[in-house]
Amino acid sequence: DVKVTQSSRYLVKRTGEKVFLECVQDMDHENMFWYRQDPGLGLRLIYFSYDVKMKEKGDIPEGYSVSREKKERFSLILESASTNQTSMYLCASSLWDRGRSTEAFFGQGTRLTVV
Amino acid sequence: SQELEQSPQSLIVQEGKNLTINCTSSKTLYGLYWYKQKYGEGLIFLMMLQKGGEEKSHEKITAKLDEKKQQSSLHITASQPSHAGIYLCGADGALQGAQKLVFGQGTRLTINP
Repeated sequence: DVKVTQSSRYLVKRTGEKVFLECVQDMDHENMFWYRQDPGLGLRLIYFSYDVKMKEKGDIPEGYSVSREKKERFSLILESASTNQTSMYLCASSLWDRGRSTEAFFGQGTRLTVV
Repeated sequence: SQELEQSPQSLIVQEGKNLTINCTSSKTLYGLYWYKQKYGEGLIFLMMLQKGGEEKSHEKITAKLDEKKQQSSLHITASQPSHAGIYLCGADGALQGAQKLVFGQGTRLTINP
């Protein structure tokens, strides 16, 4: 089975802290994504990566950065956490196959609370 | 950028009833995905549609993509408590050879016994 694993299910951090959310996939997928999910707003794409060391901004990249040093790992970094970054964060990965993407597989989510 | 609009935003149905969730795109869909999410958890892939007029079924769930490839529907027959959750449609908005997968805002489905 495809497995996408996020390092934490629940996280509580203080305002101003630097926060790292880690995501690992075991299926050799090229594409990896970070989303945040908020009530009434659905899933919003923060950043995505289609190769090692490659990254592209999604729809809401402000206040976030990412790192992809190895194919299987995609990290989301909150440089200075703020209360408006309290949210559910979801990581996903997908395969690039003949010019199109296959379905994305999701991790279990990290519920981050910034106090 | 591609936008997906889902309707309704929430739905409450009696167990055993049929229901339909719609997903409308502002642009032509080249890949449309349906996912289900249990509260507080990750998304589970249900089905993918790519061709105009395509229809797929899995157990009591049927998804269709219209001929113009701008609207999809998800139909559940004889709903059960296990169908409760949030349903999301996602679209493959390929950007310069890389995927940018975007989602609708989700439909929260409640099944009353």
